[in-house]
Amino acid sequence: DTEVTQTPKHLVMGMTNKKSLKCEQHMGHRAMYWYKQKAKKPPELMFVYSYEKLSINESVPSRFSPECPNSSLLNLHLHALQPEDSALYLCASSQVFRDEQFFGPGTRLTVL
Amino acid sequence: QQPVQSPQAVILREGEDAVINCSSSKALYSVHWYRQKHGEAPVFLMILLKGGEQKGHEKISASFNEKKQQSSLYLTASQLSYSGTYFCGTEIYNQGGKLIFGQGTELSVKP
Repeated sequence: DTEVTQTPKHLVMGMTNKKSLKCEQHMGHRAMYWYKQKAKKPPELMFVYSYEKLSINESVPSRFSPECPNSSLLNLHLHALQPEDSALYLCASSQVFRDEQFFGPGTRLTVL
Repeated sequence: QQPVQSPQAVILREGEDAVINCSSSKALYSVHWYRQKHGEAPVFLMILLKGGEQKGHEKISASFNEKKQQSSLYLTASQLSYSGTYFCGTEIYNQGGKLIFGQGTELSVKP
């Protein structure tokens, strides 16, 4: 299995909702990443997990809460988001941190 | 700290060549190149490391000038499938390994 899967593909939520994004890989990769991408812009790094430990948090607001329950799974918990948080959220993984990254198809999030 | 890519956009005919450049104002440890087609995930093309090591697809070539903090991606004999947005990602030396992507270069290959 050489792919990164993300669920859901689309998510619409209100500003008071709590939701979670899920990312999974079965390539044995030990680094996993969350990126945010706005239309016609590059991906922006949010978080990096290396060997299931949070190693980079790019000063992301606390309404985004990452979780890495095991080496194959990465979650992003969302709470009290703002309309400007609407974007494509990409998950990626790599063999080890700083190696080539394999991206999932993303979750397109709309905050109303 | 975001790297600067040039050109911003380029249109090619099938079979033509193109060069995409990526420039940073900071000392770099590595440069990564990815291609993203509309509505799809970015796909890895190449990593170039300080010291000369490279890793990537056979049909892709790139260079990394460590003194000038510049990298170039060379696309030869372009095919329709080369169309997409190309991003360079730079890892600044001693900044913990995070990638910062350039603004992207939109490449369109026409028949």
